[in-house]
Amino acid sequence: AQSVTQPDIHITVSEGASLELRCNYSYGATPYLFWYVQSPGQGLQLLLKYFSGDTLVQGIKGFEAEFKRSQSSFNLRKPSVHWSDAAEYFCAVGARNNNDMRFGAGTRLTVKP
Amino acid sequence: GAVVSQHPSWVICKSGTSVKIECRSLDFQATTMFWYRQFPKQSLMLMATSNEGSKATYEQGVEKDKFLINHASLTLSTLTVTSAHPEDSSFYICSASPLPAAETQYFGPGTRLLVL
Repeated sequence: AQSVTQPDIHITVSEGASLELRCNYSYGATPYLFWYVQSPGQGLQLLLKYFSGDTLVQGIKGFEAEFKRSQSSFNLRKPSVHWSDAAEYFCAVGARNNNDMRFGAGTRLTVKP
Repeated sequence: GAVVSQHPSWVICKSGTSVKIECRSLDFQATTMFWYRQFPKQSLMLMATSNEGSKATYEQGVEKDKFLINHASLTLSTLTVTSAHPEDSSFYICSASPLPAAETQYFGPGTRLLVL
């Protein structure tokens, strides 16, 4: 069964600094990978997803993620963080035409002024 | 497009009562709907998957008699927490997919349930 690990529970960055959120997955076949953002008391919004093709994926709000099969990773990056990016970020792994999607425990991002 | 709504957004109820939460896909037909539970500062836990007109498929450890799921139409699914207890207090999130697959799901805003 697939699983996802987000090693960092909480990260604090200064506004304007770069950001990288780590995600490692375990899955026997080619995974579908996702990053979601959740603001307090809200549902999840999809930032980006990887199914196949180019391993560098561009998403909304200036985020990107890179799929590295050799490292079983799908880290999320943003070159310059804005205060509005403060939220909880979830990495998820799934499979094609499969209802079983697993979420990581989440990384809470705090942005300092 | 691809908007999913939930109602109510929050609910407080007494222990022993039942609570119904609605999940609607507003601008697409949802072949499949998913119900998740999220504990404070934790990840989402999939409770069940439902396809329109079929019985829901529950994840291991989720009591089907406790959490009744109905997917009566292609735009509406309901989760009823029966005989609610304080330990049922949680944030419940639904999602809907136009396909029978999780990779195309769109999430609702969630419903916060507090059982007193």
